[in-house]
Amino acid sequence: AQKVTQAQTEISVVEKEDVTLDCVYETRDTTYYLFWYKQPPSGELVFLIRRNSFDEQNEISGRYSWNFQKSTSSFNFTITASQVVDSAVYFCAPSGGGADGLTFGKGTHLIIQP
Amino acid sequence: DAGVIQSPRHEVTEMGQEVTLRCKPISGHNSLFWYRQTMMRGLELLIYFNNNVPIDDSGMPEDRFSAKMPNASFSTLKIQPSEPRDSAVYFCASDKGREAGANVLTFGAGSRLTVL
Repeated sequence: AQKVTQAQTEISVVEKEDVTLDCVYETRDTTYYLFWYKQPPSGELVFLIRRNSFDEQNEISGRYSWNFQKSTSSFNFTITASQVVDSAVYFCAPSGGGADGLTFGKGTHLIIQP
Repeated sequence: DAGVIQSPRHEVTEMGQEVTLRCKPISGHNSLFWYRQTMMRGLELLIYFNNNVPIDDSGMPEDRFSAKMPNASFSTLKIQPSEPRDSAVYFCASDKGREAGANVLTFGAGSRLTVL
């Protein structure tokens, strides 16, 4: 079973600021996956990234980047030059290697003010 | 690809009534998941199926909840009798299945249930 902690319940920043969302996970699996999903105000859940536990390379996709630190069991998400459209609830979710579904954190509500 | 299709999108019912939520997964996806989202408890996994077989229903809150997957293209989540505390958004999601490893879950738009 996996556990995940997103300690930041809500973050509010002004547009164009950089912001980092924290995620700390717990797992007993040697192979696992880590995911981030976005839930905009419209309510749907949108996939952002999947990371294999064997791959500790940081990843960048446009203004989004992810920092995976296996030593501290963290998988943090940074948005550079935030925009109002980034306002959403962001969920970190670990999954075991057996594809048994995702364990979602409580989410971080990100508010980008114009 | 139409994505994961859920119906109804909104349901308002009275306590004690039976509620049936429906889900059509993405064609070719072998695993199907039902999640519930509330403010208090966040996103909870209720049950998931692999190749139409229920694998883990430990998240189903109580006997009033039941889920079926009679074929690869259809699943239902039933609540009977419904109670006000069942009010939530229920999400269905699908992925390529256990054989393919931990794949990306694609979520439906959700069914918002209000029990009065």
